[in-house]
Amino acid sequence: SQTIHQWPATLVQPVGSPLSLECTVEGTSNPNLYWYRQAAGRGLQLLFYSVGIGQISSEVPQNLSASRPQDRQFILSSKKLLLSDSGFYLCAWSVSQFGQYFGPGTRLLVL
Amino acid sequence: RKEVEQDPGPFNVPEGATVAFNCTYSNSASQSFFWYRQDCRKEPKLLMSVYSSGNEDGRFTAQLNRASQYISLLIRDSKLSDSATYLCVVRGSNYQLIWGAGTKLIIKP
Repeated sequence: SQTIHQWPATLVQPVGSPLSLECTVEGTSNPNLYWYRQAAGRGLQLLFYSVGIGQISSEVPQNLSASRPQDRQFILSSKKLLLSDSGFYLCAWSVSQFGQYFGPGTRLLVL
Repeated sequence: RKEVEQDPGPFNVPEGATVAFNCTYSNSASQSFFWYRQDCRKEPKLLMSVYSSGNEDGRFTAQLNRASQYISLLIRDSKLSDSATYLCVVRGSNYQLIWGAGTKLIIKP
């Protein structure tokens, strides 16, 4: 069966510090991968998606970036965090036209 | 107009009652529809896909009305464990998922 891992579960970072969140998927090949952010009490905002290694599409302009160095690895990064980057970051995978399946998420607080 | 709209709630419902969620979407070309459930401070989990003919899974029934661009979810005999936020999701023409903001459900004993 497929599983998706995200770490860390929670993170508190100062403004201006770098960020690296990692997501890995097991049990499937060539998945579509996604990074979402959910602000408190709000809906999901798609940040990036990837259909293959090295292929990244960005949905919103921001100071975040994403990379996919391996088929089942998706990384979200920032060189300098802003206060507005605080939120719940979720990685998800999908295959074909079916729904998306989420990892447990990383709760980020930027102070 | 938002691409996917839901009543934010919360819906406060006694245990055992029937609950109905409604959702409207703006893109008539949408092809796939889903309901997700999200518990507090947890990730969303796929509850069920919504098929054109309607579909049922135990106490849950989902229906689609393409003419009105409307999706519904019915929960019968609600349980305390049904308390969560229910997210309506539509696959857009670019194959990405468009998420509603969710409807919060609180089941009371």
